[in-house]
Amino acid sequence: KQEVTQIPAALSVPEGENLVLNCSFTDSAIYNLQWFRQDPGKGLTSLLLIQSSQREQTSGRLNASLDKSSGRSTLYIAASQPGDSATYLCAVGPNTGNQFYFGTGTSLTVIP
Amino acid sequence: KAGVTQTPRYLIKTRGQQVTLSCSPISGHRSVSWYQQTPGQGLQFLFEYFSETQRNKGNFPGRFSGRQFSNSRSEMNVSTLELGDSALYLCASSTGLGGLDTQYFGPGTRLTVL
Repeated sequence: KQEVTQIPAALSVPEGENLVLNCSFTDSAIYNLQWFRQDPGKGLTSLLLIQSSQREQTSGRLNASLDKSSGRSTLYIAASQPGDSATYLCAVGPNTGNQFYFGTGTSLTVIP
Repeated sequence: KAGVTQTPRYLIKTRGQQVTLSCSPISGHRSVSWYQQTPGQGLQFLFEYFSETQRNKGNFPGRFSGRQFSNSRSEMNVSTLELGDSALYLCASSTGLGGLDTQYFGPGTRLTVL
């Protein structure tokens, strides 16, 4: 069974810092990987989706990379803002369907 | 475009009862997935429906079931509720066509079992 791990579980940084969130998975036979953010008491918002054939995706201040062979993905957030405070989850998709295995998340706090 | 809607938003039930949750996907989306989120287990996949057919199923007991209607709306049912079923139930919709198929999540239904 696919296991997805996110380290650290919590992270606190001052506003303006660049930061990296890590995601690792045990089975490299994946179809795609998504990064989500979840705000307290709310659903998930998709940030970036990377297909297994891709190495990275970028959206604004966010950049996600994927190294399938080593079972790792990183989410880079540039120039962090207090509005970035949320829980960030990575999810691995093993096939063309939408059955995703989620990590336990990294709780990010950006201090003004 | 309207987002994914889930009803009801909150539910309180007692052990042994059954419950039905509803999810309306974004217009044009044919795939609906359901997830259970708890503090201890995190987000776990329940099942996915695509064009009224169950396409994938997670590792949950048979008390958890679902269906999808011709308009892509989906319902999930939990019978004989247990205390451990207390959770946030999230549904997500997408085109279901694979590739760069972003999932859009609803706000969830918070189920409390007493």
